[in-house]
Amino acid sequence: AQRVTQPEKLLSVFKGAPVELKCNYSYSGSPELFWYVQYSRQRLQLLLRHISRESIKGFTADLNKGETSFHLKKPFAQEEDSAMYYCALRSLSGNTGKLIFGQGTTLQVKP
Amino acid sequence: ETGVTQSPTHLIKTRGQQVTLRCSSQSGHNTVSWYQQALGQGPQFIFQYYREEENGRGNFPPRFSGLQFPNYSSELNVNALELDDSALYLCASGGQGTDTQYFGPGTRLTVL
Repeated sequence: AQRVTQPEKLLSVFKGAPVELKCNYSYSGSPELFWYVQYSRQRLQLLLRHISRESIKGFTADLNKGETSFHLKKPFAQEEDSAMYYCALRSLSGNTGKLIFGQGTTLQVKP
Repeated sequence: ETGVTQSPTHLIKTRGQQVTLRCSSQSGHNTVSWYQQALGQGPQFIFQYYREEENGRGNFPPRFSGLQFPNYSSELNVNALELDDSALYLCASGGQGTDTQYFGPGTRLTVL
């Protein structure tokens, strides 16, 4: 079964602390992994995708196929990083572009 | 370039009624996907339309149906509303297949 699991509903850290938002997936095939972010009162937006191998707003994520994980990391959290984060998966072999989302993790960065 | 827009913003219906939600795709996009996001959950894929034809469907009953128009705008129709249909409905547009999907602000549907 295709599934994305985000084990933490809430992650609370202090400003300047490292952040790791966990994401594990279950998928038989070649997945494409994404992180989406939703800031307060804003729409869901793409943060990064594993095939781009970019660092966006200081965040990085590495696809680990052995552990079926795609954890989101940032070395020093900022208050403006406070938001809801969703990990998502998409099949690279299909044509639909269907995204499978995890339940989301709320990141709270305290001053 | 305009972003994805959705209407209405909020909607209240009663059980058994029918509802139509609308989405205008971002300029240049020919694919639109609809998602249902229940409170405290991640978005769930309902279906996708590409060039006016359904191009994939999630685990939703047939009373969830859609249309895509020649200008790539789209509608989501839900018949015989149930209480569990209360959710945020998101529309996302993009190019075909592996292109990035851009989300609209959503329509909050409440079924009483």
